[in-house]
Amino acid sequence: EADIYQTPRYLVIGTGKKITLECSQTMGHDKMYWYQQDPGMELHLIHYSYGVNSTEKGDLSSESTVSRIRTEHFPLTLESARPSHTSQYLCASSDLAGDVDTQYFGPGTRLTVL
Amino acid sequence: GQNIDQPTEMTATEGAIVQINCTYQTSGFNGLFWYQQHAGEAPTFLSYNVLDGLEEKGRFSSFLSRSKGYSYLLLKELQMKDSASYLCAVRSGNYQLIWGAGTKLIIKP
Repeated sequence: EADIYQTPRYLVIGTGKKITLECSQTMGHDKMYWYQQDPGMELHLIHYSYGVNSTEKGDLSSESTVSRIRTEHFPLTLESARPSHTSQYLCASSDLAGDVDTQYFGPGTRLTVL
Repeated sequence: GQNIDQPTEMTATEGAIVQINCTYQTSGFNGLFWYQQHAGEAPTFLSYNVLDGLEEKGRFSSFLSRSKGYSYLLLKELQMKDSASYLCAVRSGNYQLIWGAGTKLIIKP
């Protein structure tokens, strides 16, 4: 099973601030993902990556950016936070070489924008 | 469009059996996943089906019928710790995961 770490776990910030949510995994997985999830709702894909220097946009990507300079690291940046960004952000990774390509999740970052 | 339907909430009794259904309509199909998510925590992988039939893993089993666009997760010998949301996710034709909103399972003593 993958070891995935996210920091910070909780973040409260003001509107207009630039923030970066960190995600790291130690299993050498090729693919990594960022999801947004509101309570009781489905996961929405924000961005994903197939490997180093590869990034793709998901459904909710327009207000954020990602980078994949190292295999283990996949940070998500919000250039200007707004109250509508208040949500749970989940990072996941999977092994592209595996038949099943199961996604394993980090503990999440709960973001509140005032 | 693509969609996944699951009941919003189910209630069951400790020690009993519960079946959580999932129906899907997607552009192509490359496997179906079930995840468990406790409140405030991240989803954890439970099972994967890509061929029709039943996959058993301890107290949990998952069934798939591709022709019917249907799956279910069967939980036996329910324990209080099984109280959680259960998420159905389908890997579509372009290998993206489409997620259901989850079924909140409440276990009563």
